[in-house]
Amino acid sequence: KNEVEQSPQNLTAQEGEFITINCSYSVGISALHWLQQHPGGGIVSLFMLSSGKKKHGRLIATINIQEKHSSLHITASHPRDSAVYICASRSYNTDKLIFGTGTRLQVFP
Amino acid sequence: DAGVTQSPTHLIKTRGQQVTLRCSPKSGHDTVSWYQQALGQEPQFIFQYYEEEERQRGNFPDRFSGHQFPNYSSELNVNALLLGDSALYLCASSLKGYEQYFGPGTRLTVT
Repeated sequence: KNEVEQSPQNLTAQEGEFITINCSYSVGISALHWLQQHPGGGIVSLFMLSSGKKKHGRLIATINIQEKHSSLHITASHPRDSAVYICASRSYNTDKLIFGTGTRLQVFP
Repeated sequence: DAGVTQSPTHLIKTRGQQVTLRCSPKSGHDTVSWYQQALGQEPQFIFQYYEEEERQRGNFPDRFSGHQFPNYSSELNVNALLLGDSALYLCASSLKGYEQYFGPGTRLTVT
């Protein structure tokens, strides 16, 4: 069992839909990262959070430390949001990131 | 600020050869981490450099080695290349303990 689990693995949506991607982790962490990866490989850091909620534009990330669970929400989804979204945990006393397997999102016009 | 840069972008090598990949961190960052991402898989942590020393290491053989220079840039070296080393190699920089910023990656193909 991976330390970091994501669901769903694949997600398709129509433009304008509200998207939720979930991430669960099995050990205590110091921070949880949400990352975006487009075809071709480059990874963009979306959020790093250790508690509560963060918002940037149409993206919202939340984390519940007690339940070891985080969610990434995309409001008013757009075809340019199509990418792989990855959550990654960082444990205490280390900067090493452990990645989930990613969620492949496709948004159709 | 150019962000994290990596070179080369693509590289093709033959089994048994050696390769060196380079990473320049984002301005102001002092920590560099390297990750290997095989096709269709999530990235795997190779090692991390801080203050010119390897501070943490993932589950990779000694064929994988690295270096960090006084200007915080870093190199990843892989000796005796295997077909299975074909992957996207990602470098991420950060201030120690803070958010990591990723470079565009180097795609290595071993034939």
